[in-house]
Amino acid sequence: DTGVSQDPRHKITKRGQNVTFRCDPISEHNRLYWYRQTLGQGPEFLTYFQNEAQLEKSRLLSDRFSAERPKGSFSTLEIQRTEQGDSAMYLCASSLGDPRQGYEQYFGPGTRLTVT
Amino acid sequence: GNSVTQMEGPVTLSEEAFLTINCTYTATGYPSLFWYVQYPGEGLQLLLKATKADDKGSNKGFEATYRKETTSFHLEKGSVQVSDSAVYFCALKGPGNQFYFGTGTSLTVIP
Repeated sequence: DTGVSQDPRHKITKRGQNVTFRCDPISEHNRLYWYRQTLGQGPEFLTYFQNEAQLEKSRLLSDRFSAERPKGSFSTLEIQRTEQGDSAMYLCASSLGDPRQGYEQYFGPGTRLTVT
Repeated sequence: GNSVTQMEGPVTLSEEAFLTINCTYTATGYPSLFWYVQYPGEGLQLLLKATKADDKGSNKGFEATYRKETTSFHLEKGSVQVSDSAVYFCALKGPGNQFYFGTGTSLTVIP
């Protein structure tokens, strides 16, 4: 078990460009979460998958954001027409969804996005 | 709604001092509560958790007790070390699938 991995670790893009991030969860975990974290703040929930189904999205999430988990394994997060306000750390987490463990989440190292 | 309020930092302590980081929450139902830690240059790691009232989570000398009557989950450690320097996040999971995090408290321990 190598933990949750994310790629790329850093991304610099120009305003208006599209970007895509990848998350590989722990292999036996059926739940996957995306978060956004800005400086001085805690992670903010973006969206949640159970297997391949996207079951929840934050109401604050712009239509420019879309996420997929096509085979219930890795996931991608795409941001279209990036804006400077999208600059943040994007975190992925996975979980077994075991209530006995309190739905404990394991986080990846994050992808730091800078929009210039 | 669901939310977490954490004690603001930064907190600076001398080695071997006693640590308390306050966390209070607002939640519907009976949430699970967590403390996560983020060491410099690393990702978030689960430090400890409690899934029901009066549970005490503990790990690496840190403890926190789920207090339903005061809606609190304060983090404590009796004797901090330089290696405990990190940012600490309190979090809750309510009846849905969303997790709610506090803003984080930065701790620096000086020798």
